[in-house]
Amino acid sequence: NFMLTQPHSVSESPGKTVTISCTRSSGSIASNYVQWYQRRPGSAPTAVIYEDNQRPSGVPDRFSGSIDSSSNSASLTISGLKTEDEADYYCQSYDSRNQVFGGGTKLTVL
Amino acid sequence: QEQLVQSGSDLKKPGASLKVSCKASGYKFTDFTLNWVRLAPGQGLEWMGWINTNTGNPAYAQGFTGRFVFSLDTSVSTAYLQINSLKTEDTAIYYCARGRGVSRHYFDSWGQGTLVTVSS
Repeated sequence: NFMLTQPHSVSESPGKTVTISCTRSSGSIASNYVQWYQRRPGSAPTAVIYEDNQRPSGVPDRFSGSIDSSSNSASLTISGLKTEDEADYYCQSYDSRNQVFGGGTKLTVL
Repeated sequence: QEQLVQSGSDLKKPGASLKVSCKASGYKFTDFTLNWVRLAPGQGLEWMGWINTNTGNPAYAQGFTGRFVFSLDTSVSTAYLQINSLKTEDTAIYYCARGRGVSRHYFDSWGQGTLVTVSS
């Protein structure tokens, strides 16, 4: 099995831009799609990015996703930060048998 | 609208068994796979495995074999997670999530979660 490593926490001010990374330990990041989920306290996770860079209906275009083969990582970028973006964010990918989540990143907007 | 609705919170003693339900509505149940995901206190999301809603075949992630059982009742569009011989470390929120995509990789709809507390 591979692992997905995320920073434990990030913080930024409202209106600014933040990027959360997700590094795959083995196998190419480009081989399998990466998804990103937001989980606010007390709520179920919801997808904000699927298949590397696609936004589900209803997700604002302030959210974007990308992958970088050179660093074998994926990134979630949130621009124009709002206090409502404060949440835990998880990346997720897979191989032939398993789905794998990153450890999660706590985003604080202060 | 498409949704997954899970059974309510539960408190169990160590050694007991528990069954969590996940009822689908608003879509054809057998068109998508069904995954189970655990969120333990202070930890991150952990994929437990999935069940093929057409065949009923389950597949378990490492660490979730033996005491964990996935099952279906397609007549009522419901999936079940049973946990046997409960341990205190099973205390967690359990989510069901619909999987879509060629590799079932995109969890596009989630249940609201079921809090399971295991304590003597």
